[in-house]
Amino acid sequence: DTEVTQTPKHLVMGMKNKKSLKCEQHMGHRAMYWYKQKAKKPPELMFVYSYEKLSINESVPSRFSPECPNSSLLNLHLHALQPEDSALYLCASSPVAGPPGTGELFFGEGSRLTVL
Amino acid sequence: AQSVSQHNHHVILSEAASLELGCNYSYGGTVNLFWYVQYPGQHLQLLLKYFSGDPLVKGIKGFEAEFIKSKFSFNLRKPSVQWSDTAEYFCAVNALDFNKFYFGSGTKLNVKP
Repeated sequence: DTEVTQTPKHLVMGMKNKKSLKCEQHMGHRAMYWYKQKAKKPPELMFVYSYEKLSINESVPSRFSPECPNSSLLNLHLHALQPEDSALYLCASSPVAGPPGTGELFFGEGSRLTVL
Repeated sequence: AQSVSQHNHHVILSEAASLELGCNYSYGGTVNLFWYVQYPGQHLQLLLKYFSGDPLVKGIKGFEAEFIKSKFSFNLRKPSVQWSDTAEYFCAVNALDFNKFYFGSGTKLNVKP
């Protein structure tokens, strides 16, 4: 079992809906990340939070809005998504604050999102 | 363009066969290197990593990888695979000078019992 917990595991939403994905870790890690993974593709970085501050936004459309309420939690707010946004959304954390690859990444199992 | 290449997209082996999965990158300068594995229905997890020091790195479950700087490679090896090694394997590189981190496209390994 992973120590990074993501909810919900599956989400189906319409293009006009507003929903949120949640991620939680209790390992004391100070860096947290959102990745998007399409079928048969590697994960693509979306956002990086270091010490609860957004440090990297990989030119993600504004319909995705990240939030880091505290050092253990990371949210991804979704609004007015498109069908092409359907994917597996992965959360990761790292004991080393900074861009991914500075230290080991610990991944959650992901939230599979379907946009109708 | 800078990239991480895993040339083997799908590998099928019988149990006890030896495994070598290729990973090449095109960044110059200092790199951190990783192999992650995703077993069916499970989360991505770290197999091994190289930051500095001995270029031959040993990881979990009998895997090892060798960093060859002159070849820009970090190939993953295991002398004798098991059915339980069936998974998708991702190489990842952090090009420290550029502050960029990328996953390779992945290699799906099927081990026949």
